[in-house]
Amino acid sequence: AQTVTQSQPEMSVQEAETVTLSCTYDTSENNYYLFWYKQPPSRQMILVIRQEAYKQQNATENRFSVNFQKAAKSFSLKISDSQLGDTAMYFCALNAGNMLTFGGGTRLMVKP
Amino acid sequence: EAGVTQSPTHLIKTRGQQATLRCSPISGHTSVYWYQQALGLGLQFLLWYDEGEERNRGNFPPRFSGRQFPNYSSELNVNALELEDSALYLCASSLGDRFEQFFGPGTRLTVL
Repeated sequence: AQTVTQSQPEMSVQEAETVTLSCTYDTSENNYYLFWYKQPPSRQMILVIRQEAYKQQNATENRFSVNFQKAAKSFSLKISDSQLGDTAMYFCALNAGNMLTFGGGTRLMVKP
Repeated sequence: EAGVTQSPTHLIKTRGQQATLRCSPISGHTSVYWYQQALGLGLQFLLWYDEGEERNRGNFPPRFSGRQFPNYSSELNVNALELEDSALYLCASSLGDRFEQFFGPGTRLTVL
């Protein structure tokens, strides 16, 4: 069985500042993938960033980067230079084979 | 390139009726996944179809079923609707079980 835990139900950040969203997971698999998805009020789930477990280098996509700590089973998302459009629910997800297991989500509010 | 599409956007049914939800994957994607996003329960994996076959299902009763057509589009059927089936149903597609999943806008099912 695999589990994903997001311990921060809600967070807020001032526009242009940096915020970090936490995620821990558990799986017995060695080969797995981790994702962060964003779900704005429009409800469309959007892929933010992806990390392969076998890669030591942390993934980066523009203002979004991850801190992947495999031994600690931790996968946090850092958003730099936060923008109002970053306001959304953020879901951490684990794929250890044929399905995604999602965390409970973190609601992020970016304040002007 | 067109993304994942779902129809209808909204569906209102009464308890005991049947609901049919439809999903068209991104062109070239053979895997289709269904998730239920109920208020307060997060995202739960329902079903995975690949190459026309059901490959895995989540912890849902048999009245949740579906199929995948030769063109890789998919249908989710929910029989004997119950009030607690009210949720947003998300469809996702991918190139395979280890690849990132891309989501459609969802179908909001309301059971009265």
